[in-house]
Amino acid sequence: AQTVTQSQPEMSVQEAETVTLSCTYDTSESDYYLFWYKQPPSRQMILVIRQEAYKQQNATENRFSVNFQKAAKSFSLKISDSQLGDAAMYFCAYRTRYNFNKFYFGSGTKLNVKP
Amino acid sequence: DGGITQSPKYLFRKEGQNVTLSCEQNLNHDAMYWYRQDPGQGLRLIYYSQIVNDFQKGDIAEGYSVSREKKESFPLTVTSAQKNPTAFYLCASSISSGGTYEQYFGPGTRLTVT
Repeated sequence: AQTVTQSQPEMSVQEAETVTLSCTYDTSESDYYLFWYKQPPSRQMILVIRQEAYKQQNATENRFSVNFQKAAKSFSLKISDSQLGDAAMYFCAYRTRYNFNKFYFGSGTKLNVKP
Repeated sequence: DGGITQSPKYLFRKEGQNVTLSCEQNLNHDAMYWYRQDPGQGLRLIYYSQIVNDFQKGDIAEGYSVSREKKESFPLTVTSAQKNPTAFYLCASSISSGGTYEQYFGPGTRLTVT
């Protein structure tokens, strides 16, 4: 079974600085999808960014970018110019290409942003 | 606006009572999911459904039941057999083919059983 590991339970960053959240996963498949979700204090899960495994180019969404290392099974999230509104739980998630309906989530990283 | 609704936002029940959590989506998604989240924890899959009238157990299905009679609706019943039902429950849906494959989440229901 696939597993997703987030080894940093909690991190802090100064406002306007850059922070990287790590995520590793274990799979024997070659085609899959990876996601980062944000869960603010409201607890609404919000998609931050997605990456398709067959694409070599790292995904970017404004201040959010990923470092996707397929061979190393690593999928880290970089947040640039951190803002107070970025404070939240961040979850890494994996979805297999061949069983569309099964997602695997990491345990989450709590990000604190200091003013 | 398309999205997922969960009601109610907060739910209180006495121990020994069954309770049903509502989840409705108008995104025309085939797949729907129920997750449980405990404080400071990640998401644990309870049940998921790929199509109407079909559903599969997730990792922690014991003490829960679901139905999928309509594409738009996937209610979750927390039965009295669930030993520790107090938690935050999230419903999600996703497309099964084509598209970008991510899950869309509802706002969640906080269930407290005393």
